[in-house]
Amino acid sequence: AQSVAQPEDQVNVAEGNPLTVKCTYSVSGNPYLFWYVQYPNRGLQFLLKYITGDNLVKGSYGFEAEFNKSQTSFHLKKPSALVSDSALYFCAASYKLSFGAGTTVTVRA
Amino acid sequence: DAGITQSPRHKVTETGTPVTLRCHQTENHRYMYWYRQDPGHGLRLIHYSYGVKDTDKGEVSDGYSVSRSKTEDFLLTLESATSSQTSVYFCAISESGTDYEQYFGPGTRLTVT
Repeated sequence: AQSVAQPEDQVNVAEGNPLTVKCTYSVSGNPYLFWYVQYPNRGLQFLLKYITGDNLVKGSYGFEAEFNKSQTSFHLKKPSALVSDSALYFCAASYKLSFGAGTTVTVRA
Repeated sequence: DAGITQSPRHKVTETGTPVTLRCHQTENHRYMYWYRQDPGHGLRLIHYSYGVKDTDKGEVSDGYSVSRSKTEDFLLTLESATSSQTSVYFCAISESGTDYEQYFGPGTRLTVT
């Protein structure tokens, strides 16, 4: 079974609207969780990670993620999306270095 | 950007030929990784290294071998390429352990005909 799941292949939002990219995990213990972003024809870039402590993690480019242990989720959020946020987003867990399948985000002007 | 380069960036090869991809880092990070990226699968770990001459298998290691003779170089070899190994290959590094964030190279697009 996949350790990290991203239930949405695509997310479409209008510029200025809130953006949420969903991620759930199914690993035991207390894994470290990560978000990465991939722009076209580029390698992945690290956005943020959750280790322990505060459930709201702030990262690069105005992104944040909320860790919810009871729901085993680690959703990525941005209060006001930009057209330049259009990219492929990956959630990952330190357990077996598992990556989700990715979510393509399109922000329309 | 982290100092990671991959070579070649693009390669087309025929089924049955050996292929070696190179990852070079200038960050002196201990851990290095090879992934493949395929539509619908995200990234899947092939092999990783936790030090010079120390390597371990990942989720999709069959048909691949690796070597690390120097801290800065991590080689991925396809002994006899197959069409199922057509993919984009990414190298990544992390400072210390799998609990740390990874920094990725630009990728190598490999086509096996």
